[in-house]
Order: sequence, then structure tokens, then C-alpha cells
Amino acid sequence: KQEVTQIPAALSVPEGENLVLNCSFTDSAIYNLQWFRQDPGKGLTSLLLIQSSQREQTSGRLNASLDKSSGRSTLYIAASQPGDSATYLCAVSGTASKLTFGTGTRLQVTL
Amino acid sequence: EPEVTQTPSHQVTQMGQEVILRCVPISNHLYFYWYRQILGQKVEFLVSFYNNEISEKSEIFDDQFSVERPDGSNFTLKIRSTKLEDSAMYFCASTQLAALYGYTFGSGTRLTVV
Repeated sequence: KQEVTQIPAALSVPEGENLVLNCSFTDSAIYNLQWFRQDPGKGLTSLLLIQSSQREQTSGRLNASLDKSSGRSTLYIAASQPGDSATYLCAVSGTASKLTFGTGTRLQVTL
Repeated sequence: EPEVTQTPSHQVTQMGQEVILRCVPISNHLYFYWYRQILGQKVEFLVSFYNNEISEKSEIFDDQFSVERPDGSNFTLKIRSTKLEDSAMYFCASTQLAALYGYTFGSGTRLTVV
């Protein structure tokens, strides 16, 4: 059974810092990995999708990497802003074509 | 950009009542899903639906739950006799082909059972 873990559970950084969020998964037989953002009480906004054959994807200040063999992904956020404050979720899609979500990292970017 | 639309955004119901949560997936998507998130917990898979039938369901998705695509656009989740522990945020998602395109989620329905 796929298990997804995210570290750290919570993170507080001053504005302008670069930061890394970590995601690990136990079963490397995945189709893809998707990073989402969730604001309090809101829905899931897709940030980046990495196919299993890819190593990384970039969108603006966000860069996600995938090391499928070791079961790890990182989300790098450059020059963080207060508007980046949210919970970031990592989710993997396996052979059953459903997503298994991690526990999330709650990020706060302070002024 | 196309969206997955969910209604209502918030529903309060009495224990034992039936509720129907509604979703309009993106029009050219073929695969549909329901997930739920109990407050403070992980997002959990409930059910997937393809070609007018359930393709997979979790152990959470017992006989009190059902899904339906009554017409070409709506996708519904029915909870027959709600319990207090059904209180959660319910998310609908859809994809054209998950392996290539990933999933698009709706903004969720917050269900509160009192």
C-alpha cells in the first residue's frame, strides 16, 4: 500500500527566503507526482505535475524534482512571498490511477 | 481555464438524512473521482468512475455511498444516511488521462452533520 510522507509538517520563513519542501513515497511504481496548494478551508490547486519519466518541472518561482527510484520529490520555492502561505500537498498516482496524498506541509511566510 | 465546479459549497444536514453532493467535471474529461478530507487529516480517495461505472472504491466507500452520472455533465455523490463522522470536505476531481495530465480538483463541498 502506497504511503506518502511530507517533511516538515510546518515551516515558517521570512519573506524572500528560498525553501524546500520534501515528499517521500514507499512504492516507486508511480505514473506521476503532483504538487497541490491548499488555502485554509479551500480546494486543491494544482501547482506542478511530474511524469514518472521526468526529473523536474518548473513553473515561475516553483521547481519540483522527482527521484522515482529513491521515492522522493522536492518542491523548491524561490524568493518566498507572504502570498505563498498555504498548505502544500504532494500526491502520487499509481497503477490504480488514484491519488495518494501526503500529510502536507503548512507554510507561513512572514513579513 | 476549465474548472471543476462543485455545489453546494457548504451543506449542513441532520444525522440520518440523505445528502447529494454535485459536481460538474471538465467537459472533455473521462475519469471522475470523489475524495474527502476530514478536518486536520489527509485527503483520502473514495471512488473512481469511468465509462458509467465504478472502476475502484476504497474501504470508506461502503453501502451508504453511491455515485451517479445522471446526464452528460453532472457527477453526484449520494450519502444515504449521514453520520457525524461523515462531516468532512468532499472534493470532486476529473482527468482526461491521469497518467499524462494529472487531476483537476473542484473547490469542495464542506459537509457538516449535526
